[in-house]
Amino acid sequence: AQSVSQHNHHVILSEAASLELGCNYSYGGTVNLFWYVQYPGQHLQLLLKYFSGDPLVKGIKGFEAEFIKSKFSFNLRKPSVQWSDTAEYFCAGGPGANNLFFGTGTRLTVIP
Amino acid sequence: GAVVSQHPSWVICKSGTSVKIECRSLDFQATTMFWYRQFPKQSLMLMATSNEGSKATYEQGVEKDKFLINHASLTLSTLTVTSAHPEDSSFYICSASSPSQGDYEQYFGPGTRLTVT
Repeated sequence: AQSVSQHNHHVILSEAASLELGCNYSYGGTVNLFWYVQYPGQHLQLLLKYFSGDPLVKGIKGFEAEFIKSKFSFNLRKPSVQWSDTAEYFCAGGPGANNLFFGTGTRLTVIP
Repeated sequence: GAVVSQHPSWVICKSGTSVKIECRSLDFQATTMFWYRQFPKQSLMLMATSNEGSKATYEQGVEKDKFLINHASLTLSTLTVTSAHPEDSSFYICSASSPSQGDYEQYFGPGTRLTVT
């Protein structure tokens, strides 16, 4: 069955710490992968996406993610987090635009 | 650009009544709109996909007679929860996509919190 899993439910970091949020997908064919962020009280926004090509994808606000096909992973990283990165992060994937499977989300709390 | 709005942002209704939620793409024409449901601390679950002028395609397990979706124009889709019951209480989120905005990207609305008493 197609699915996306995020194993970190809540991550708490101090400012300037490095971040890595895990995302694993289960899908046999070509997969498109996304990371979305939801700031408190706001709607989901796209951070970055991977369709093909360079497996290291750079997104907005200093975020990047690496697609590792052998590990079925698409982890999100940021070298130095800021208080303003406090938000809920969702990994999503699917065969195309119309069939996205979302992970359960990871809440990131950054302590000033 | 690519802003999607939802109305209302929250609604409380009595059991047995129907509730309509609107989803609008404000600055682009959305050929496809999606409706999701999100339970607390859980993932977004796709309910249905609608293309303008066509019947919506519902995901397995979603009652099409209970969750009526209409995508009458390129900027508006509505979700009507008919004969709502407390178990329908949830956060409903819509998204929209269009080839003109870039492939494989959905733009999300802010969501509507439905509480059925």
